[in-house]
Amino acid sequence: EDQVTQSPEALRLQEGESSSLNCSYTVSGLRGLFWYRQDPGKGPEFLFTLYSAGEEKEKERLKATLTKKESFLHITAPKPEDSATYLCAGGSYIPTFGRGTSLIVHP
Amino acid sequence: DGGITQSPKYLFRKEGQNVTLSCEQNLNHDAMYWYRQDPGQGLRLIYYSQIVNDFQKGDIAEGYSVSREKKESFPLTVTSAQKNPTAFYLCASSIGLGERSLYNEQFFGPGTRLTVL
Repeated sequence: EDQVTQSPEALRLQEGESSSLNCSYTVSGLRGLFWYRQDPGKGPEFLFTLYSAGEEKEKERLKATLTKKESFLHITAPKPEDSATYLCAGGSYIPTFGRGTSLIVHP
Repeated sequence: DGGITQSPKYLFRKEGQNVTLSCEQNLNHDAMYWYRQDPGQGLRLIYYSQIVNDFQKGDIAEGYSVSREKKESFPLTVTSAQKNPTAFYLCASSIGLGERSLYNEQFFGPGTRLTVL
């Protein structure tokens, strides 16, 4: 059974304080790792797909990386508008979602 | 604009009633999904469909039913057999088919919040 675990569950940062979110996975034959952003009361919004170890993708202040066991979402100099829940998903057939990391960025 | 719509945004159900949640997409995607999200939980897969007139159970299908009569539409019925239906329900779609089949990024609707009174 595919498993995806995210840590920490919650993260509070000051504006400009860079940090990383972790997504570890136990998947037989990972076909890809997805990152989504979810604002309260809304559906998740797609951010990145990573397909192989060593791959990196960037979008504004966000950079996603992938190793053979985990993925990181690095947030550089975050702003309050980056506050959201970040979900990762991965698997060998239909992606399995982690429980998410709730990020709050204080001004 | 292409996207996924869900209705209603809020739904209240009395115990013992069946209710149907609507999901429509105009992205021309083949695959569609239904998820349930509870506080502190990840998204759990209820049902998915790769093609019209065909669908499969996900991890938590008991107490739910779906249909896929049209490519654009994938309604979910929450039956009275579902013991704890209060949750946030999300519909999604992806390109589907092809080599990666179900393994493409998913596009989500805005969700329906169901509350049992």
